[in-house]
Amino acid sequence: ETGVTQSPTHLIKTRGQQVTLRCSSQSGHNTVSWYQQALGQGPQFIFQYYREEENGRGNFPPRFSGLQFPNYSSELNVNALELDDSALYLCASSLGDGSTDTQYFGPGTRLTVL
Amino acid sequence: AQSVTQLGSHVSVSEGALVLLRCNYSSSVPPYLFWYVQYPNQGLQLLLKYTSAATLVKGINGFEAEFKKSETSFHLTKPSAHMSDAAEYFCAVSPTGRRALTFGSGTRLQVQP
Repeated sequence: ETGVTQSPTHLIKTRGQQVTLRCSSQSGHNTVSWYQQALGQGPQFIFQYYREEENGRGNFPPRFSGLQFPNYSSELNVNALELDDSALYLCASSLGDGSTDTQYFGPGTRLTVL
Repeated sequence: AQSVTQLGSHVSVSEGALVLLRCNYSSSVPPYLFWYVQYPNQGLQLLLKYTSAATLVKGINGFEAEFKKSETSFHLTKPSAHMSDAAEYFCAVSPTGRRALTFGSGTRLQVQP
């Protein structure tokens, strides 16, 4: 059973550019959540997708958007990058059909905005 | 709304000593509580979770945590620290087990030889 995978591992962009991060959920999981972890801080919830529909959103502007595909993999898109977007972006998958689903995290994508 | 406070951004213990990492939560509904560990340059790994069953929860690697509603606490303990326990530890709360996790700011555990 493969775990949660994310690509790319590292990414460097310049201010104003756009970026797409990818996540493959654990086998059998239909829910994907994205988190932003700034240096020295705890992860902050961006949004969650359940069966291809957005299922909750944190306090992030609309330039953060996402998709979930029929195979339950997911993308996080960030437009008009700002310096403060530099962070580790974590994806987590869960079964989505239970009351106490555990979220399993991937290794993250480290984004640096110059 | 939920929130988590982790007291002590850095904790240092000697190998073999007791590990105690503190977590206090605020929640308007009975919470689900989690402890995750993060090793350098890695994602988060679940140590244990509280889901309203037993108040003393045992996790992996010898860690356990006790839910105390009266103190709104969910402190993480391990009787004897090992060098491999050195990492960042995060406490998290969720109104259900399925939705967004709200994390604390983390506690970095150092284990001295």
